[in-house]
Amino acid sequence: AQSVTQPDIHITVSEGASLELRCNYSYGATPYLFWYVQSPGQGLQLLLKYFSGDTLVQGIKGFEAEFKRSQSSFNLRKPSVHWSDAAEYFCAVGGGFQKLVFGTGTRLLVSP
Amino acid sequence: EAQVTQNPRYLITVTGKKLTVTCSQNMNHEYMSWYRQDPGLGLRQIYYSMNVEVTDKGDVPEGYKVSRKEKRNFPLILESPSPNQTSLYFCASSPFLGPLDGANVLTFGAGSRLTVL
Repeated sequence: AQSVTQPDIHITVSEGASLELRCNYSYGATPYLFWYVQSPGQGLQLLLKYFSGDTLVQGIKGFEAEFKRSQSSFNLRKPSVHWSDAAEYFCAVGGGFQKLVFGTGTRLLVSP
Repeated sequence: EAQVTQNPRYLITVTGKKLTVTCSQNMNHEYMSWYRQDPGLGLRQIYYSMNVEVTDKGDVPEGYKVSRKEKRNFPLILESPSPNQTSLYFCASSPFLGPLDGANVLTFGAGSRLTVL
């Protein structure tokens, strides 16, 4: 069965510092991978997706993620964090027939 | 504006009082789904629908019902809510049937926070 692990429940980063959020997946075939962001009181917004091709994918808001098949990882990165990036981030894998399997989320706190 | 609209956004109710959370999409999407989000558990699928009158259980369907009488609407029904159904609920839709890949992306509503006392 498909699964997603986000090992960090909370991460605190200083504004302007770089960010990396970890995501590991388990899936038997070529994975379809996603990162979503949930700002406080808001719904889920798609940041970026990977389904084939270049393993480094660019998303909105300056985010990028790198697919590493050998490590079963799809880590999210941003070179310089802004206070508005404080939110909860979910990694997900497209599993089976039209279902996304989500990780448990990582809450990002941005300190001044 | 293309969107998935859920109502109500916030609701406090009592055990056993039937309630319905509505979901409507204006994108002519074939597929719709409900998820619940709980701390430490991420999002889990409750039910999904591949077309009008075609629905099926997700991972956590107990205590819920759904219907798909029109393509655009997919209400979630709690016949007899219990406190363990206190959660944040999301409705989502995607354009067509098939794997959720780069072309067939889920669009989520803003969420409905339900508290059952």
